[in-house]
Amino acid sequence: DQQVKQNSPSLSVQEGRISILNCDYTNSMFDYFLWYKKYPAEGPTFLISISSIKDKNEDGRFTVFLNKSAKHLSLHIVPSQPGDSAVYFCATWKTSYDKVIFGPGTSLSVIP
Amino acid sequence: NAGVTQTPKFQVLKTGQSMTLQCAQDMNHNSMYWYRQDPGMGLRLIYYSASEGTTDKGEVPNGYNVSRLNKREFSLRLESAAPSQTSVYFCASSDPREVHNEQFFGPGTRLTVL
Repeated sequence: DQQVKQNSPSLSVQEGRISILNCDYTNSMFDYFLWYKKYPAEGPTFLISISSIKDKNEDGRFTVFLNKSAKHLSLHIVPSQPGDSAVYFCATWKTSYDKVIFGPGTSLSVIP
Repeated sequence: NAGVTQTPKFQVLKTGQSMTLQCAQDMNHNSMYWYRQDPGMGLRLIYYSASEGTTDKGEVPNGYNVSRLNKREFSLRLESAAPSQTSVYFCASSDPREVHNEQFFGPGTRLTVL
């Protein structure tokens, strides 16, 4: 059973609008939640993270929100740009484990 | 710094053939990982190594073996390739002592097993 779920395999957004990518998790023991971005033919790269003790973290156009009671996090991209078109992976990590658990990914297309 | 490097970039095998995927990192990280990426499945952990000389199974270890040759290098071996192992393979490294254990990925190896 997947511990990290991204129920939207794909998302299409107009340039300049907001992109919202969602992620749900099942284990309330995770310490950090991360987003990775992946372009075709490249490895994933880290984008932004949030600690489980916070509910929001912002870095430029990217904001991650964490709702612990709902076991849900979301990534907001404002404004969306064509260069944001990529696959976005949600991931979780508990500090006592070496392993990071990844979701299945959401493919974002930003239309000019 | 090259970061994480992987060889080869592409490989085509016939069923039953063997091969080794190579990975090296120059960031002095203790932890290294092998993932496979399949459509709709995300990144699934095959094996990982928390430090030189140690390896542990991940979510999908069957059909694979690994060697942590030294702190820099972590190889993945397919002894008898099967079509189900057609996938894109990513190596990664990290330092779990760092905040949020950011993983650094290589560019991937696209493997096709006929």
